[in-house]
Formats: sequence, C-alpha cells, structure tokens
Amino acid sequence: NAGVTQTPKFRILKIGQSMTLQCTQDMNHNYMYWYRQDPGMGLKLIYYSVGAGITDKGEVPNGYNVSRSTTEDFPLRLELAAPSQTSVYFCASIDRGRKGYTFGSGTRLTVV
Amino acid sequence: TQLLEQSPQFLSIQEGENLTVYCNSSSVFSSLQWYRQEPGEGPVLLVTVVTGGEVKKLKRLTFQFGDARKDSSLHITAAQPGDTGLYLCAGGSNAGGTSYGKLTFGQGTILTVHP
Repeated sequence: NAGVTQTPKFRILKIGQSMTLQCTQDMNHNYMYWYRQDPGMGLKLIYYSVGAGITDKGEVPNGYNVSRSTTEDFPLRLELAAPSQTSVYFCASIDRGRKGYTFGSGTRLTVV
Repeated sequence: TQLLEQSPQFLSIQEGENLTVYCNSSSVFSSLQWYRQEPGEGPVLLVTVVTGGEVKKLKRLTFQFGDARKDSSLHITAAQPGDTGLYLCAGGSNAGGTSYGKLTFGQGTILTVHP
C-alpha cells in the first residue's frame, strides 16, 4: 500500500540548475496536485491535473512545469532554479468525488 | 482569491489542557478539511465537514463547521504529547463550477504538548 511516493527526499541545487521532482501514485486516482510549503504560509498550489494529458496552473506556477503522461505519474520540473524556490514540495492525489487528499512525504529542496 | 486565516499560529500547552484552533474566512466553502502533519511527513487527513453547523468527533478531537460555512474550529480535550504537530485547515470551493478538488490552506497551527 504505497499511496503517493515522492523522490528525492532531499536535494540541494545551485542557482540556474534544473531538476525533476518525481511523484507516483498507485491508487488509480484521477486528480493530482503539486503544492509547496513555506514556514508560516500553509500550502500553495503550483499545478494540478485532472487526468492523463490534462494539466493546469495553480496559484504559484511561475518557474515550474508539469506533465501527466500516465494516470500514475505527475513529475514537477524546475528549469532554472532560483533561491525563491527553496521550499518543501508535496504531491497529493484524490479520487474524483472523494473529499480528502493523500499526500506524499515531501521533497525538501534548497537552492544555493 | 479565497483566504483562510488560522489562529493561533503557535500553541504550547501542558498535557491534560484543552485547546481550540480557529479557521476563518470571508468566503464560503463547500467543504472544510483538517489535516495533521508531523515533521518530515506529508499532511494526513483528520476529518472533512461539508454541512453548515456540522460537528464531528474523533476521539478527543471535535471539529465544527460554521453555520455560514465560512469558518471552522478544532477543539482538543485533555491534550496529550502525541497530539504535538502542525494542524492545517483547508477549504474546498465549487465557486464558478467544479473546483477539481483544489484546496485553499490556512497557514497552520504548530501545537506543542508538554508532558
């Protein structure tokens, strides 16, 4: 019963580098989300997807990109890392009609 | 833009005390969820309330959704050290059609219960 799996757990990037945060769920959920969590700020929605091939911007999408080629996978891409992207990133999923997210355990990213 | 104001931001209490965390907004939400998060982990759903005035109990935790569906509270009775963690409220909205499950989160309340 893996649920939502995120990799890596920790990563340090230099300014201008790129990376992909991986997210996989094995619950056949339609809806998937990427949030970032900063101290005292709650969680802010970056991108979301309602199914394979369909993605849309959330509240804070600048500097990020996503794709959804399969129901299971929803990777988040950072093209040119900036210090403002230092944060903890959470992937979540939900089955359509259900009312609670299942979250991954997060990726702590530091950009120096 | 919908906002959820959560208070207090920090709460430090002794074991056995009672506490209440508040979540307020000027916007109406179709549902209100409460999550608990431990260090190094993702938030875990505690409860979802969907009806104005609804009250749900989960052992020593009592959750209430305001009559106008703009606010919610979490009350913990006889807090224990195991209750320590970050508590997050999150509102769902169907304004303008389907929201696709998107949530608006409060800033969180860091609760520390001392033995």
